Amino acid sequence: GAVVSQHPSWVICKSGTSVKIECRSLDFQATTMFWYRQFPKQSLMLMATSNEGSKATYEQGVEKDKFLINHASLTLSTLTVTSAHPEDSSFYICSARGLDRGYNEQFFGPGTRLTVL
Amino acid sequence: KQEVTQIPAALSVPEGENLVLNCSFTDSAIYNLQWFRQDPGKGLTSLLLIQSSQREQTSGRLNASLDKSSGRSTLYIAASQPGDSATYLCAVTGSARQLTFGSGTQLTVLP
Repeated sequence: GAVVSQHPSWVICKSGTSVKIECRSLDFQATTMFWYRQFPKQSLMLMATSNEGSKATYEQGVEKDKFLINHASLTLSTLTVTSAHPEDSSFYICSARGLDRGYNEQFFGPGTRLTVL
Repeated sequence: KQEVTQIPAALSVPEGENLVLNCSFTDSAIYNLQWFRQDPGKGLTSLLLIQSSQREQTSGRLNASLDKSSGRSTLYIAASQPGDSATYLCAVTGSARQLTFGSGTQLTVLP
C-alpha cells in the first residue's frame, strides 16, 4: 500500500518550453504533497508543500512563478516548470502523506528526470 | 533550522562486513527519523522509520537506532552484500511535518 506514481519518468525538452510533471497517490488520499529537487550527487531539497485545494507554500529561493504547483484533488498534484532552462535540469521527486496513512510519514514517487537542452 | 549531517560521505567495504552509517540532527524536536536507500538515477526506497518515542527498528539485516536527546541515529547493516551498494539517506520529520534530508552516504560493497 501507499503507492505514489510520477509521470513522466523522464523528459527532454528544449529551452524555453514548459514541462508538466504529475504526481499521483494511487491507494490513499493525499492531503499534502511535497515536491523535491535533487541535483547530481546531492541530497533532496524541498521546493514546495501543497495542501489539497490551497496554494502551495514555496521554500526560500524557489521561484513560484517558474515552478507552478497545482493540487486540485486528493490524489493528484502537478508541477509545471515554465520556460525551462538548462539549469532546471534535475531529478524531481514528489511525496505524499495522508491522514489514513499516518500523518507523519511521507511516501515517495519514483522521480522524474528532466533534461533541458 | 534543522540540519542533518551524515558521516561518512562515502564508504567502501568488502562483502560480508558489518557496517555502521551515522546521522546527526541539530533540533531534537522531531516526529520521526527515516532511513532511505537510493540507487543511481532512481527514487527513494524507505528502509526503516523510527518514531520519536522509539529507540530502534529492525528489518532483516538492517537495524536503526535513535537517540533523540543527543540528536543521533545509526544504521547498522549486517553481513553486507554487493547488492547493498547504494546511497543511504537519513531524514527527519520536524515540527512543521516537513522532511529534512542529510547529504547521504554512498556505500560500495566489494565482491
